[in-house]
Amino acid sequence: GAVVSQHPSRVICKSGTSVKIECRSLDFQATTMFWYRQFPKQSLMLMATSNEGSKATYEQGVEKDKFLINHASLTLSTLTVTSAHPEDSSFYICSASGQGGSTDTQYFGPGTRLTVL
Amino acid sequence: RKEVEQDPGPFNVPEGATVAFNCTYSNSASQSFFWYRQDCRKEPKLLMSVYSSGNEDGRFTAQLNRASQYISLLIRDSKLSDSATYLCVVTGSNAGNMLTFGGGTRLMVKP
Repeated sequence: GAVVSQHPSRVICKSGTSVKIECRSLDFQATTMFWYRQFPKQSLMLMATSNEGSKATYEQGVEKDKFLINHASLTLSTLTVTSAHPEDSSFYICSASGQGGSTDTQYFGPGTRLTVL
Repeated sequence: RKEVEQDPGPFNVPEGATVAFNCTYSNSASQSFFWYRQDCRKEPKLLMSVYSSGNEDGRFTAQLNRASQYISLLIRDSKLSDSATYLCVVTGSNAGNMLTFGGGTRLMVKP
């Protein structure tokens, strides 16, 4: 149980385009979803926390207008990287916690590798 | 100072060796502690939680020292498949179960 999926697993796009990444909890209701970013040889950095039906809370230094997060249902959150630039190239990972899984445990998706040319 | 600090390694050990990693955290109000394992280009996977009383799971033993604010992970009888990056993770006293990740310690087990 407690499976989280992400789509797409990999995306390559041109600079200036927008990219949407989906995060789904497959067998539990995720009241909270987290979005992380990981640059090569660095640790995961939390970008934002989203609760179903409310606005996301962004970490310091993360532009909310550039990284749009929508958590419209208990099983789906989306991260849209708007007007992506090469410096946005990174490994984006979501995690989810909530009912059905341990509320103290975050279950991670497999990640999305974004390359912006 | 980083909230969670780890020696990045790499630790290069032969198969069968015992290896230990330490991690220190700065927030004395931290609530929960974990070790995650991350393979190259993959998501982190929970290895084990860490309790003050210490806990063991097969070849893995985790310890928490709240007074000194450090966490340890001991791996006995290392296997080639143990090669990965081990992430020390702490949740704070703030609302929600927000995780703070250490930079990770890379382990390479050689035949």
